[in-house]
Amino acid sequence: EDQVTQSPEALRLQEGESSSLNCSYTVSGLRGLFWYRQDPGKGPEFLFTLYSAGEEKEKERLKATLTKKESFLHITAPKPEDSATYLCAVQGASLRQGGSYIPTFGRGTSLIVHP
Amino acid sequence: SAVISQKPSRDICQRGTSLTIQCQVDSQVTMMFWYRQQPGQSLTLIATANQGSEATYESGFVIDKFPISRPNLTFSTLTVSNMSPEDSSIYLCSVEADKGYGYTFGSGTRLTVV
Repeated sequence: EDQVTQSPEALRLQEGESSSLNCSYTVSGLRGLFWYRQDPGKGPEFLFTLYSAGEEKEKERLKATLTKKESFLHITAPKPEDSATYLCAVQGASLRQGGSYIPTFGRGTSLIVHP
Repeated sequence: SAVISQKPSRDICQRGTSLTIQCQVDSQVTMMFWYRQQPGQSLTLIATANQGSEATYESGFVIDKFPISRPNLTFSTLTVSNMSPEDSSIYLCSVEADKGYGYTFGSGTRLTVV
């Protein structure tokens, strides 16, 4: 069974204080690892897909990296508008009944950036 | 990537009643997914809905409690039946996005059962 553990559960930063969020995973054949941002009262918003160890992707102040056991979401010089819950999910190679590869989500890291 | 319109965005319901949540996608998709997100918990898949066939339910979820309709390739509904306070949660629909873009989600329905 695929598993995803995110840490920390909550993180408070001052504006400009860089940090990293962790996503540890176990999966039977990684098809993809996803990062999402979720604002209160909204559905998750796609950020990145990573496919193989060593891969990195960047978007504005965010950079996602991937190893064989974990992924990091690095936030450089965060701003208050980066405050949100960040979700990690893995899609394994096990085809589920119904013919789909269903991602397994972590519980998320709630990030608050103070001005 | 597909855009999903989900409604209602929130509702407060009496226990024992039912609520139907609708999701409309702006393009045709084969599979639609229904999730539940309880406070502090991860997204939990309820069922996968394919057009023209019965929905496939995950362990712990049954059709009598969460009946799903999928009348065409752009629309689906999830009904939460005979509600209890334990059903209070956020319900989300989702579709697979273009390759490399993961999954697209609706804006969610925040359900409170009193």
